[in-house]
Amino acid sequence: QSVLTQPPSASGTPGQRVTISCSGSSSNIGSNTVNWYQQLPGTAPKLLIYSNNQRPSGVPDRFSGSKSGTSASLAISGLQSEDEADYYCAAWDDSLNGHWVFGGGTKLTVL
Amino acid sequence: QVQLQESGPGLVKPSQTLSLTCTVSGGSISSGSYYWSWIRQPAGKGLEWIGRIYTSGSTNYNPSLKSRVTISVDTSKNQFSLKLSSVTAADTAVYYCARDHPNYYDSSGYYSWFDPWGQGTLVTVSS
Repeated sequence: QSVLTQPPSASGTPGQRVTISCSGSSSNIGSNTVNWYQQLPGTAPKLLIYSNNQRPSGVPDRFSGSKSGTSASLAISGLQSEDEADYYCAAWDDSLNGHWVFGGGTKLTVL
Repeated sequence: QVQLQESGPGLVKPSQTLSLTCTVSGGSISSGSYYWSWIRQPAGKGLEWIGRIYTSGSTNYNPSLKSRVTISVDTSKNQFSLKLSSVTAADTAVYYCARDHPNYYDSSGYYSWFDPWGQGTLVTVSS
């Protein structure tokens, strides 16, 4: 059972917009910034969004992040087949001397 | 640019200690306000943070693993290491190392993220 809650799956057709939610609590998302990671099949995770809504260099602007209260969201617009991957949210949790927590991951399928 | 590479035995017997090393190349492990983290992923499952170390030696650990985990750093070799004791089949996973930075607080909370990641190494616990 992951500390952050994500839907296990999401799907969309090419060109659509999809969103993935990430729900936490006051000790993690409610207090700190949220990051998102993309894991393509058979590869290591890659930083996708940092500090709630910032994109690293090279990440298309089709990807965007937001945060409100104890929840965060990842939005992907203009869905492409290469976006089919697992997506994870993560945040620092201030409890128990501090530790990182992840969401359980959302498998995105492009239909 | 900084690159990370995990190394260590791919097979560990139950009750023994899992030992992995992450070698950092393309930059000094001591430069910047960096923590260095270990993260694992059982087959078909999600990511689990194990712990991290600052180059000063300061550590944070996952509360659920803390009693079994030791993370250390060797700045002379530009490496940091993971030891996980009393392993069981449940510790079978791909183990990743990652840089954890920039590591600061402001009015919006804690800012840090994992980037880059190593390619990962599979460790199987089996007799």
